Amino acid sequence: AQSVTQLGSHVSVSEGALVLLRCNYSSSVPPYLFWYVQYPNQGLQLLLKYTSAATLVKGINGFEAEFKKSETSFHLTKPSAHMSDAAEYFCAVRILSNFGNEKLTFGTGTRLTIIP
Amino acid sequence: DAGVTQSPTHLIKTRGQQVTLRCSPKSGHDTVSWYQQALGQGPQFIFQYYEEEERQRGNFPDRFSGHQFPNYSSELNVNALLLGDSALYLCASSSYRGRTGELFFGEGSRLTVL
Repeated sequence: AQSVTQLGSHVSVSEGALVLLRCNYSSSVPPYLFWYVQYPNQGLQLLLKYTSAATLVKGINGFEAEFKKSETSFHLTKPSAHMSDAAEYFCAVRILSNFGNEKLTFGTGTRLTIIP
Repeated sequence: DAGVTQSPTHLIKTRGQQVTLRCSPKSGHDTVSWYQQALGQGPQFIFQYYEEEERQRGNFPDRFSGHQFPNYSSELNVNALLLGDSALYLCASSSYRGRTGELFFGEGSRLTVL
């Protein structure tokens, strides 16, 4: 079965500091991996996705993630945190079905707080 | 280009009642998935509709049912509401032929069961 685990339910960083949100995956097949962001009282917005092309994936708002097969990781980073980055972040893995269309399995989320 | 739209945005029900939530997918999308997000947790897959049929289902009881219409819009119905059904219900759309795994989410319907 495919799954993701997010390490750290809460992360606090100072404005201007490095953001690092951790995600490890478990998959018996090459995975498609995603990071979504959720601002308060809103739905989910895609930040970036890994679909077996380049291992370093760049997304919106200055975020990027690196797929490391040897470590089964897909950590999300941003060099310099901004106050507007405060939100909940979810890592997800694609699950293929016999039907052929996919669904996503999400991690439990990491709440990012930015300290002024 | 309108994204995924959901209605209502908020609603309050009492235990035992029934609720219907609605979703219109992003233009060009033909597949609708529903997710339940309890407070402080990640979204959990409920079911997925394509060509007006339920194609996949997560670990949810039969009290949760759905429908997809010819225009690809969808409804989620929950019967005999329990306190534990209080959550944000997210609709996501995608294109079957696209199959990139990328889902586009609506802003959700927040259901409170008293």
